[in-house]
Amino acid sequence: RKEVEQDPGPFNVPEGATVAFNCTYSNSASQSFFWYRQDCRKEPKLLMSVYSSGNEDGRFTAQLNRASQYISLLIRDSKLSDSATYLCVVKAGAGSYQLTFGKGTKLSVIP
Amino acid sequence: DAGVIQSPRHEVTEMGQEVTLRCKPISGHNSLFWYRQTMMRGLELLIYFNNNVPIDDSGMPEDRFSAKMPNASFSTLKIQPSEPRDSAVYFCASSFGGESNQPQHFGDGTRLSIL
Repeated sequence: RKEVEQDPGPFNVPEGATVAFNCTYSNSASQSFFWYRQDCRKEPKLLMSVYSSGNEDGRFTAQLNRASQYISLLIRDSKLSDSATYLCVVKAGAGSYQLTFGKGTKLSVIP
Repeated sequence: DAGVIQSPRHEVTEMGQEVTLRCKPISGHNSLFWYRQTMMRGLELLIYFNNNVPIDDSGMPEDRFSAKMPNASFSTLKIQPSEPRDSAVYFCASSFGGESNQPQHFGDGTRLSIL
């Protein structure tokens, strides 16, 4: 089983749609979770951290299910500018420095 | 504020040549990471430095790869001799406290093509 697994997509959605991505991770000792965004031919950028209780940042909502070892990202009211690849990122336990990246889910928002 | 600065942005060279990639981390960050990204394997950690000391180089593919961090504001990743399978995008990232929950900030990357 891959350490961090994501559906590669692509997800093609119309503007204004709601879209959700899921990610599963294999290391049950993982402590920290993030979503990064990567635009074509650009570097990954932190979108948001994922907290146990779930968290929201504007149109973006992240949730964590430790029992099932999956993380989700919900994007509401999709904008053209949301088109990018979304990387699920997991960090192991306390004292760990290593981020494990999923291969990403590609999103295309269509006018 | 200046982010992580990498150079060159693009490098095209023939196999067998030496390649040197450079990185300037964000000022004040004490952790530096070199990653390689390919379509097949995604983002892979090559090496991690903390306070200029290499902590984990288990991701360095082979002896042809080496990395140094002579001071807190500069690091290099060298490939000698280069091979076509080294073609990838190489990212440098830095953070404050590698083991903390502080996010890693990535440079623009070096797109390397070995012919």
